[in-house]
Amino acid sequence: GQQLNQSPQSMFIQEGEDVSMNCTSSSIFNTWLWYKQDPGEGPVLLIALYKAGELTSNGRLTAQFGITRKDSFLNISASIPSDVGIYFCACRNTGTASKLTFGTGTRLQVTL
Amino acid sequence: ETGVTQSPTHLIKTRGQQVTLRCSSQSGHNTVSWYQQALGQGPQFIFQYYREEENGRGNFPPRFSGLQFPNYSSELNVNALELDDSALYLCASSLYFPNTEAFFGQGTRLTVV
Repeated sequence: GQQLNQSPQSMFIQEGEDVSMNCTSSSIFNTWLWYKQDPGEGPVLLIALYKAGELTSNGRLTAQFGITRKDSFLNISASIPSDVGIYFCACRNTGTASKLTFGTGTRLQVTL
Repeated sequence: ETGVTQSPTHLIKTRGQQVTLRCSSQSGHNTVSWYQQALGQGPQFIFQYYREEENGRGNFPPRFSGLQFPNYSSELNVNALELDDSALYLCASSLYFPNTEAFFGQGTRLTVV
């Protein structure tokens, strides 16, 4: 099935550093979402973006919905050890809340 | 408010067997969707249920089937299990109208041997 392309695939950073990851699609979507998944758990919604060009923050997290509606980025500022996990972008179109297309994931590891 | 709960958390089945996984949706949600997540991959959409009927399906064969009950809980059934069916199966619930984002359960880890 179709998946979104995320980069980087994995990253090691030091505590306190800022992190940036992005996601691209060959198709246009109306909604972009960012989820975090811890080992043995289901994905947890971090940020939802509904308008092209929209920039939204949730604490230390900031995400933007690309103007072309084919990409998005997620930034994490001042990373802490509990930021460790796998971050997924996901997309959907209007009226299809549960029919999500997921990215390939970015694995984040934070060292002290 | 209760979240999405899935059962069992783990199970092991033999190739060729059938399996049923269960999901209770979050309180107030009327739509349930199921995803398959292979190791190291993102979740893949299997199908969605709304008003007890399948309402959208991903690229999965007919041996993957489901049910939704009047209380909005759901089952995923997989027949004739194959080794490649080994994965984490995730259930997500949402509200159909107005649209709310999907909330996921913790998943069921299925191993086919």
